[in-house]
Amino acid sequence: AQKITQTQPGMFVQEKEAVTLDCTYDTSDPSYGLFWYKQPSSGEMIFLIYQGSYDQQNATEGRYSLNFQKARKSANLVISASQLGDSAMYFCAMREGTSLLVGSEKLVFGKGTKLTVNP
Amino acid sequence: EAQVTQNPRYLITVTGKKLTVTCSQNMNHEYMSWYRQDPGLGLRQIYYSMNVEVTDKGDVPEGYKVSRKEKRNFPLILESPSPNQTSLYFCASSLGWSTTAYEQYFGPGTRLTVT
Repeated sequence: AQKITQTQPGMFVQEKEAVTLDCTYDTSDPSYGLFWYKQPSSGEMIFLIYQGSYDQQNATEGRYSLNFQKARKSANLVISASQLGDSAMYFCAMREGTSLLVGSEKLVFGKGTKLTVNP
Repeated sequence: EAQVTQNPRYLITVTGKKLTVTCSQNMNHEYMSWYRQDPGLGLRQIYYSMNVEVTDKGDVPEGYKVSRKEKRNFPLILESPSPNQTSLYFCASSLGWSTTAYEQYFGPGTRLTVT
């Protein structure tokens, strides 16, 4: 079973509007972290935002916020006031934390959502 | 500037010709990892290292080797590359592995084509 599911292969949004990119995850580990990365067409992976499983508040970083619904196991990325430069692939990733012995450090990635911002 | 560097950025090679992709970080990070990215599959971990001389397999280790002789360097070795190893490769590092909060810093990627 996939641990990270991004159900939207592609999304379109008008410039200056908000957009939500979906991410659901699957884990039985009570300690985990959720990350969002942006990959523009140039290829580099850019860290956007982090949410820990024990964090009480939803994470925010500038125009990015994470809508964390623990019971639903969802960690949607919200981009407010979209800009043309936001056009990119967006990846949700999870790192499980309780078991520190084998492979728990790795990030498990979803397949990504391609966001296109239209002028 | 804190960064992860990879070389080369682009490489076209032929089947069976051994190659090494270098990775270096200047942040004194303990944890380093290699991923490959393929269309429709996201990123998958190849190998990781939790410290010097400590390495282990990720999800797709077949056909790859790594070493961690120094903290800053983590080269990826393809002893006998095959066309199915054509991919975009990323090296990443993070401060540690004892908490989920440490983000991973990614290198710029190496686009490898094996003909």
